[in-house]
Amino acid sequence: GQNIDQPTEMTATEGAIVQINCTYQTSGFNGLFWYQQHAGEAPTFLSYNVLDGLEEKGRFSSFLSRSKGYSYLLLKELQMKDSASYLCAVLPNDYKLSFGAGTTVTVRA
Amino acid sequence: DGGITQSPKYLFRKEGQNVTLSCEQNLNHDAMYWYRQDPGQGLRLIYYSQIVNDFQKGDIAEGYSVSREKKESFPLTVTSAQKNPTAFYLCASSIGRTNNYGYTFGSGTRLTVV
Repeated sequence: GQNIDQPTEMTATEGAIVQINCTYQTSGFNGLFWYQQHAGEAPTFLSYNVLDGLEEKGRFSSFLSRSKGYSYLLLKELQMKDSASYLCAVLPNDYKLSFGAGTTVTVRA
Repeated sequence: DGGITQSPKYLFRKEGQNVTLSCEQNLNHDAMYWYRQDPGQGLRLIYYSQIVNDFQKGDIAEGYSVSREKKESFPLTVTSAQKNPTAFYLCASSIGRTNNYGYTFGSGTRLTVV
């Protein structure tokens, strides 16, 4: 089976920066995705990494190190609307997306 | 606008009943998936279909059944054999096996056993 670990919860202040780490051990690797999910809603796509390095997209950035089986999602200039669950997902050799349990981020005023 | 529609949003099931969750997409995606989400756990794959008239079991298929008679539709039936069906069910689709955007998700159906 696939093993994807990420912290359960994180809390930060509005305007601050938060980094959500994700480590994985999977049968092969064809890319890593980050999704945002507000309570009771559909997950929405944030980023995709397949090569090592940093991908920046506005206030959100995602980093990948394939040799370490490690990724992080960086959220800058936090806003109240960023309070949500963030899901790390890996596409292994069977091409069925496998998800971590999600990290709930709470942004405080 | 293209997207995935799941219905109903909330569903209540009595013990021993079968219920069917609807999933329709107009994205012209070949592949469709059903996931179950429980508190504190990652999304777990129930069934998936890469092409019309073909589907495969995922990691937790017991007590569930699906059909894929049309490209747009992938309904999930939760049977009475599923002993713990209360959960949030998510349907998803993708262009094919690999793409840079992963899956597009529906807004989910929350199923509760009463």
